[in-house]
Amino acid sequence: SQQGEEDPQALSIQEGENATMNCSYKTSINNLQWYRQNSGRGLVHLILIRSNEREKHSGRLRVTLDTSKKSSSLLITASRAADTASYFCATHRGETSGSRLTFGEGTQLTVNP
Amino acid sequence: KAGVTQTPRYLIKTRGQQVTLSCSPISGHRSVSWYQQTPGQGLQFLFEYFSETQRNKGNFPGRFSGRQFSNSRSEMNVSTLELGDSALYLCASSPGTANNYGYTFGSGTRLTVV
Repeated sequence: SQQGEEDPQALSIQEGENATMNCSYKTSINNLQWYRQNSGRGLVHLILIRSNEREKHSGRLRVTLDTSKKSSSLLITASRAADTASYFCATHRGETSGSRLTFGEGTQLTVNP
Repeated sequence: KAGVTQTPRYLIKTRGQQVTLSCSPISGHRSVSWYQQTPGQGLQFLFEYFSETQRNKGNFPGRFSGRQFSNSRSEMNVSTLELGDSALYLCASSPGTANNYGYTFGSGTRLTVV
């Protein structure tokens, strides 16, 4: 079952605008990760934020994490047509029997030139 | 550094057949995980292997199995294929199981069951 819920499910913006995607989850986590997927291909790791961190930056990406609200957001600034893809949040929990990622349903981002 | 290699890229099988998918992780990575992606269920965890041992298993029937070899390469097998097994199967590698750095995914194997 999907732990995470993402909104919006789809987002369409113009090049140069900022895109914000939100993710909510249900259980305690070790870290939360964001991935990008282009048209049915493999997932590309974008950024990881640990449970004791509140904000993290990587290039044009900014991720926030609010563990009290069990939510995270991904901001892409100055978007480009090449940013068009599906974006997934994934929570990581260490378990005594190993680890796994639990993915949200994803946000389909379309950046129009 | 070579990425995660999954073979084959595409596969068409008939209901009732079995299939084996292969994944070669990044050199030096000892943890391999498998995920299934379908339009209806999204991305779901199948299994995790570390040092040839299955460490974690998702909620899939026993028809889904896997293994890891001493060189960290992994295979997953699906027996008695059903139409609902049609999916993109993704393999992910990481240095260990603690995963504080994120996973590197392969391009996936697209399985179609007819």
